[in-house]
Amino acid sequence: GAVVSQHPSRVICKSGTSVKIECRSLDFQATTMFWYRQFPKQSLMLMATSNEGSKATYEQGVEKDKFLINHASLTLSTLTVTSAHPEDSSFYICSARDFTNTGELFFGEGSRLTVL
Amino acid sequence: AQSVAQPEDQVNVAEGNPLTVKCTYSVSGNPYLFWYVQYPNRGLQFLLKYITGDNLVKGSYGFEAEFNKSQTSFHLKKPSALVSDSALYFCALTTDSWGKLQFGAGTQVVVTP
Repeated sequence: GAVVSQHPSRVICKSGTSVKIECRSLDFQATTMFWYRQFPKQSLMLMATSNEGSKATYEQGVEKDKFLINHASLTLSTLTVTSAHPEDSSFYICSARDFTNTGELFFGEGSRLTVL
Repeated sequence: AQSVAQPEDQVNVAEGNPLTVKCTYSVSGNPYLFWYVQYPNRGLQFLLKYITGDNLVKGSYGFEAEFNKSQTSFHLKKPSALVSDSALYFCALTTDSWGKLQFGAGTQVVVTP
């Protein structure tokens, strides 16, 4: 089946630094990817919709300058958490839609960010 | 505005007993409903979906769900739970088969031996 890969799975960084998380669709092209944030024991909160070749669409309340999203190719979207602070610590999950097949939505394994 | 609710934070069941995880929704228009499972520190795994057609949907790992339009529900069921079914379960809703999903709060399932 289709696979979505996220990297890194875990990252620890110091306050003020920037962290990049990659989301790759391994065996299909994904014109649309979604980025979610999940706090402990809570649901997934959609942050933004990443569209290949165009600007991401951010959900209300999500700072676009804080969470930079780039979808430069049909198989890769990146989320960069800029000037990270401890409150940015969270589990970030991406998903990609396989429009070329069934339109199924596939999820990455998630990336655990800890900001010290 | 559309919404999806999972009224139970946690469901406890003994291994071998039936498992039910509840989900209700509110939407104008036709709903597309999904169930996902999440193991600790992992992404979401797809279990099943309702788009149209038969109200009883069969999915992965022996799970099934019944779409009930009159009760606006899409409860997840498994006839005989396994300890390995212990995980966090999410119901999700969209009104556009290609669109973004709205997730319920999640239900923690604990299956005891």
